[in-house]
Parts: sequence; structure tokens; C-alpha cells
Amino acid sequence: DVKVTQSSRYLVKRTGEKVFLECVQDMDHENMFWYRQDPGLGLRLIYFSYDVKMKEKGDIPEGYSVSREKKERFSLILESASTNQTSMYLCASKTAGTGLGNTIYFGEGSWLTVV
Amino acid sequence: AQTVTQSQPEMSVQEAETVTLSCTYDTSENNYYLFWYKQPPSRQMILVIRQEAYKQQNATENRFSVNFQKAAKSFSLKISDSQLGDTAMYFCAFLTLYGNKLVFGAGTILRVKS
Repeated sequence: DVKVTQSSRYLVKRTGEKVFLECVQDMDHENMFWYRQDPGLGLRLIYFSYDVKMKEKGDIPEGYSVSREKKERFSLILESASTNQTSMYLCASKTAGTGLGNTIYFGEGSWLTVV
Repeated sequence: AQTVTQSQPEMSVQEAETVTLSCTYDTSENNYYLFWYKQPPSRQMILVIRQEAYKQQNATENRFSVNFQKAAKSFSLKISDSQLGDTAMYFCAFLTLYGNKLVFGAGTILRVKS
């Protein structure tokens, strides 16, 4: 089974702090994603990466950056956390291919509260 | 750009009964994938079922089946013999054939009552 692991399930941070959310997948997937989930808005894509050191902005990249130094690890960075970034963050991964492998697998989510 | 619409914010069903969740989407693509994901209170996003648009046959997974109407751009999920453990938020999602961006609907909260 595909395993996508988010190291922190619950975090409370102060406004202005730098926040790192870490994600690791064990299936050698090329593509990794960070989504944000808010009530009534569904899931919105923040950033995705299609290879090591490669990234593309999603729909709501403002206030976020990402890092992918190794294929299995994809980090989401909040340079200066703000209260409107209080949310549930979901990491996901998938193979670059098409066909049966073209399914996105999710981690358990990280609840971030910024006070 | 693709959009996914789930018009039912909340639904409830009695245990052992059947329920259908609706999803419509908009795309100009001819080949793509459609998914239903389940998110229980634990918040883990779990893949329920997937459908390739180039397959006419509707996908089934045990008690879960879909009604895929490509011309109407409709992709509904039918849950038979509903169980208490089916209580969750259900998301419909769309992925282009060679794409990387999964586009989600806003979700439907399903409550199964005993």
C-alpha cells in the first residue's frame, strides 16, 4: 500500500513564526502536492512538484513556499504564519504515468492553528 | 479550466438503505479520470472508487458503484446497504489524462443513521 506520511498532525504556532510541514511518501512517486482544506471551499492546491527541485504554483500559492530536495520528501513552508493560514493541510503523491497508476494518494493531514 | 460541482452539501440515510451522491463536472477534455474520495472524521482522505472516461462500463467496488454519464458530464456515487462507518465527507474529483492537478468539488457530508 502507498504510504504518505505527514510528520505533524496538530500544530499551534504564533503569528509571524516560520512553519515547516513535512511530507514523506514511500512509493517512489514523481509528483507530490500540498492542498489546503477549509469548510465550504473543498480542497485547494497550494503547490505541486513533478520532480526533485521542480515545483509549480497551484491555485493559492501566496504566503507559502515549498522545498523538494529528495524525491520522497516534500515540505511546505509558511515564511511568516498568519491567522488566515489556520487550516487543515493535506499532502498527496502520485506516479507521473497514466492508466491505473494515475491515482492520487493522501496523507492524514496536518491541522495548523495560528494564534 | 475544469470545475466540479457537488450540489448536495449534506445528506442522511438510514442504515442498510441506499443513497446516491451527485457530482457534475465541466471540461473540454475527452479523456480523463474521475474519483470519489471519502474523508471520515479522522480526516484521512481515502479513495473509494475511480473511473476512466474512456471506459463505458461503470466502476464498482463492493457496495460502491458509480453512474457515469459522459455526455451529461455527470458522475454520481451509489452506496448500497449503508453502514454507520460510511458516515463521512465525500468528495468528487477530476484529473485530466496527463494532468497533475486534481480538481475537487466542495464535498457532501453523509450521515448514516441507525
